[in-house]
Order: sequence, then structure tokens, then C-alpha cells
Amino acid sequence: DAGVIQSPRHEVTEMGQEVTLRCKPISGHNSLFWYRQTMMRGLELLIYFNNNVPIDDSGMPEDRFSAKMPNASFSTLKIQPSEPRDSAVYFCASSLQGHTSSYNSPLHFGNGTRLTVT
Amino acid sequence: QQQVKQSPQSLIVQKGGISIINCAYENTAFDYFPWYQQFPGKGPALLIAIRPDVSEKKEGRFTISFNKSAKQFSLHIMDSQPGDSATYFCAAKETNDYKLSFGAGTTVTVRA
Repeated sequence: DAGVIQSPRHEVTEMGQEVTLRCKPISGHNSLFWYRQTMMRGLELLIYFNNNVPIDDSGMPEDRFSAKMPNASFSTLKIQPSEPRDSAVYFCASSLQGHTSSYNSPLHFGNGTRLTVT
Repeated sequence: QQQVKQSPQSLIVQKGGISIINCAYENTAFDYFPWYQQFPGKGPALLIAIRPDVSEKKEGRFTISFNKSAKQFSLHIMDSQPGDSATYFCAAKETNDYKLSFGAGTTVTVRA
């Protein structure tokens, strides 16, 4: 089991540029989550997909952020245009079940993408 | 507004000592309480979890204590080791919800 795979591990970009973060969830998992981690705000849920369908995007900060899940094995988080305040670590996580008790279906996180916008 | 309040923000413990992290919640519908461990440069990983029908769960040197009436739960790390140095997050979730509410995290440093 390769776990949740995220790329790139680090991204440095200039303000105004488009940034695309990528995620491959664990095979067989039907729920995918994008989180953002900062010192000030901790772990924030940005968006949740279930069976490739976006269920809750209320955590997406603004229209500059968008996410897609074209199939069960791939998701992207795009920021366009990027701003310095978007600098953070972005995590993708997956689990087998999203809507029922997850006691036996824990959330598995990738190792994140550290984004720096200058 | 954070639904799970975690303390302390950081702690330092000597090797062999006990690390204690506390969390409190208000939502009585929460029924799943996991703890995640995060090392620098890595994503959080599930460490141990408990349901509210038990008051304690132990896995190796890690123990969760749960007090349903007080709406509090805590993580105890016994015989702390330098390899336990990490950030620990408590979390909570309702049965039919997908959203985990995370605490703010506690950075534990174990001195050799």
C-alpha cells in the first residue's frame, strides 16, 4: 500500500501565478479531502469529495481556489491567481467511508505539498 | 470557531516521563475521538482512537482516557521516548458526518 501520494512536495511560485497540486488517494477509498495547515489556523478542511463528487466546498477560501476529481484515483487543487497568504502546507487525505461511522475507516493523509508564494 | 479545544500548545518532557495532552468538546453528538501524530515534513497519521462507550483505551505506551460527562478526553504517553517528539492532534466526529473537527495541536519534545 503506497498510501496517499501528493505532488509536488514543495512549490515556490510568484504572486499571480497559477498553482496546481495533485493527489492520488489510496486505491479503493471513496472519500477524498483537501486540507490546509498553517500555524495560525491549524488544519482546515477545504473540500470533500465522495465517489468523485464534490460534497462540501464550504471551506474553500475564495473563488481563486478550485478542486476537481475526474476519477477515483486522481484529484487536483488549483489556485489561480496565487497570493502570499496562500502559503501553507496542503494535505490530501482519503478514507473508505465518508458518511458513516469511521471508527474502522480512519483518515489517511499524504505527506503534503508545502506552497510558498512570494 | 474550534469545536475541539486542545491544551497545552507545547510541552517538554524528559525521556521516561509521562506526556499528557487534554482535549475538550461541546458537541454531545460526537462519537468518534481519534488522535493523530505528525512528524515534521509528514502528514498526520492515526495513532489511536476511542468511542464514548469506553472510558479508556491503551495501545502500547499510548492511552486515551475519556470522560463523557465532562466532555473531555486526553492522551497519555507513558515512558516517553525521543522518537515520540512530534505534534499531536486530537479530533472528533459525529456518526453520520464526514467532517473531523481537529484540535489546534500540541508539540511534544522529549529530551534525552
